[in-house]
Amino acid sequence: QSVLTQPPSVSAAPGQKVTISCSGTSSNIGYNSVSWYQQLPRTAPKLLIYDNSKRPSGIPDRFSGSKSGTSATLGITGLQTGDEAVYYCGTWHSGLNTVIFGGGTNLTVL
Amino acid sequence: EVHLVESGGGLVQPGGSLRLSCAASEFTFSRYWMHWVRQAPGKGLEWVANIKEDGRDKYYVDSVKGRFTISRDNAKNSLYLQMDSLRAEDTAAYYCATAPWENYRYTIGYWGQGTLVTVSS
Repeated sequence: QSVLTQPPSVSAAPGQKVTISCSGTSSNIGYNSVSWYQQLPRTAPKLLIYDNSKRPSGIPDRFSGSKSGTSATLGITGLQTGDEAVYYCGTWHSGLNTVIFGGGTNLTVL
Repeated sequence: EVHLVESGGGLVQPGGSLRLSCAASEFTFSRYWMHWVRQAPGKGLEWVANIKEDGRDKYYVDSVKGRFTISRDNAKNSLYLQMDSLRAEDTAAYYCATAPWENYRYTIGYWGQGTLVTVSS
């Protein structure tokens, strides 16, 4: 059971928007910045969002991140079939002194 | 483009040992935090350990403390994970990973392709 809570799955139609939530506590999300990772089938994860809302070079602005209190949200607009992947949130847990990930959310683009 | 290549995975019996290596290139290795992250078959990501740029600070997930040791050789641009007293639940793909920029301790910017460790009799 992950310290960060994500919905197991979300789905939406091509072109639509979807949001993925990530819920934590004051010891992790509440105190540290959140990152989001995309793992396409049979590939290594890729950094999508860092410092809660910043996008690395090459990540399209269809991907956005936000944080409020002890929760974070990943937003994806203009959904494409190529966005079908598992998305993970991650941060530092100050009490445990470890990196922690959410359990992952499987995105299906119908 | 950052390049990370893991090696050393394989089949090992419970209680056995294995040493994973990661060869890094195309970035200034000595200036970045480095990580090991694992993923059991069909499961999510589990962070294993990280190590500071100079190797002085190391952190581990509770489940591997006392059994796994992370280390680095900045002269060889290499990261290592010594795994002892292996258990069936350690079976996973192990990813070598690095921070995206200097001074980022827990954000993971780049990942290798992973090396599979199977613990079974």
